[in-house]
Amino acid sequence: AQSVTQPDIHITVSEGASLELRCNYSYGATPYLFWYVQSPGQGLQLLLKYFSGDTLVQGIKGFEAEFKRSQSSFNLRKPSVHWSDAAEYFCAVNPQGAQKLVFGQGTRLTINP
Amino acid sequence: NAGVTQTPKFRVLKTGQSMTLLCAQDMNHEYMYWYRQDPGMGLRLIHYSVGEGTTAKGEVPDGYNVSRLKKQNFLLGLESAAPSQTSVYFCASSRGQASEAFFGQGTRLTVV
Repeated sequence: AQSVTQPDIHITVSEGASLELRCNYSYGATPYLFWYVQSPGQGLQLLLKYFSGDTLVQGIKGFEAEFKRSQSSFNLRKPSVHWSDAAEYFCAVNPQGAQKLVFGQGTRLTINP
Repeated sequence: NAGVTQTPKFRVLKTGQSMTLLCAQDMNHEYMYWYRQDPGMGLRLIHYSVGEGTTAKGEVPDGYNVSRLKKQNFLLGLESAAPSQTSVYFCASSRGQASEAFFGQGTRLTVV
C-alpha cells in the first residue's frame, strides 16, 4: 500500500547535538516531499520541500533534508539542535498525479539541556 | 493577512449532534484539505478539494461530509457525532500540488 512512514515516534537529543529524523515513502513515482514542524498547540509550518534537482535541500531554522531515490527516503537533519527545536516533525508527500497531501505519523523531538 | 482561519476553535458535542466546521482562506488557493490529528497517528486526510465545487475523499472520510461552494471556504460537516470523532481538526490550503500548504490553528472537538 502507498504510505509515508516515520519509524521514530519519539527522539531525545541533547542541546548542541546533531539530529536526523527519518522518513520513508512507498509510491511508484517520486512524489513531492515536504517536512513540516508543529510546536505545541500550534498549526504546522513548512521547513523545506523537494520536487526535483539537487537532492540536498536547505530549509528554514538551519534544517536540511536529503532525498535518496534508491532508499525511498527523505531524512531531515540539523547539525546542532537548540532547545527551541523541541516540537513534533511531520514528513508529508504529495504523490504526483494524486493531488492530495499525505502525512507520516510524526516524530516528537525532545531536547535535553 | 489572515491566512487560514478555522471556526470554532473549541467545541463540545453530545453523541448524535451535528455541527459544521468552517475553514476560510484569503490567499486565493485552489487546494483545500481537512485533516484530523490524533495522538500517535499523525494527520490523516479526511476530505480535500482541488477547486471550487469539487471535493474528494481522503483516507478517513466516513462520518464526515464537505462542501466547497465558494473558493475561499471549505466546510466540514458531522451529521451525527460519535465519540470516535473526538480529535483536533486542521484545515489547510495550497496554491497547487507542489506548493506549500498553509494550516489553520486547529479546532479541538470533544464528543461526549
